[in-house]
Amino acid sequence: RKEVEQDPGPFNVPEGATVAFNCTYSNSASQSFFWYRQDCRKEPKLLMSVYSSGNEDGRFTAQLNRASQYISLLIRDSKLSDSATYLCVVNEANTGRRALTFGSGTRLQVQP
Amino acid sequence: SAVISQKPSRDICQRGTSLTIQCQVDSQVTMMFWYRQQPGQSLTLIATANQGSEATYESGFVIDKFPISRPNLTFSTLTVSNMSPEDSSIYLCSAAGTGDRSYGYTFGSGTRLTVV
Repeated sequence: RKEVEQDPGPFNVPEGATVAFNCTYSNSASQSFFWYRQDCRKEPKLLMSVYSSGNEDGRFTAQLNRASQYISLLIRDSKLSDSATYLCVVNEANTGRRALTFGSGTRLQVQP
Repeated sequence: SAVISQKPSRDICQRGTSLTIQCQVDSQVTMMFWYRQQPGQSLTLIATANQGSEATYESGFVIDKFPISRPNLTFSTLTVSNMSPEDSSIYLCSAAGTGDRSYGYTFGSGTRLTVV
């Protein structure tokens, strides 16, 4: 079983749509959680951290359910520029001492 | 967060040869990591580069195949040895400080390796 599992997609949505991605992780010792974005042929870049209380950054909302070991990302009012692969990422530590564990990514294609 | 310069950005190599990838960080960082990303796949951790000591390798990766150096807190190299076509992949380095959460995990721009 993979440590971090995501639906690979692709999710093809029209501009303006709301889309949600889900992720589950197997290591109950995981301490910190993130969504990264990776554009084609580029390195991953942090989109947002995920907190138990849920957090929002503009059109993006991330939620964490520790009991279910489940993480979600909601994108509202999708833009063409949101087209990318979204990586669910977990870390066993709260600091930089451990490497990040990546899910396989969910590909989003926003269409005009 | 730190900025990483990774080179080469791409290379095409003959099987049986070796390629060394370099990552230079613009500030001292505690931890550096090397990942591989095969086409259509996510990132897989190869090893943690430890400053002044041997790297810590993940299951399936060995020092003879992927020797790593980390002579100081700003620089690391990964060598892909005795290459075969199966080594064709993108290799990425990452750096973090111990005080950082994810915003401290910076990635190099990657090395796209093709082995022919």
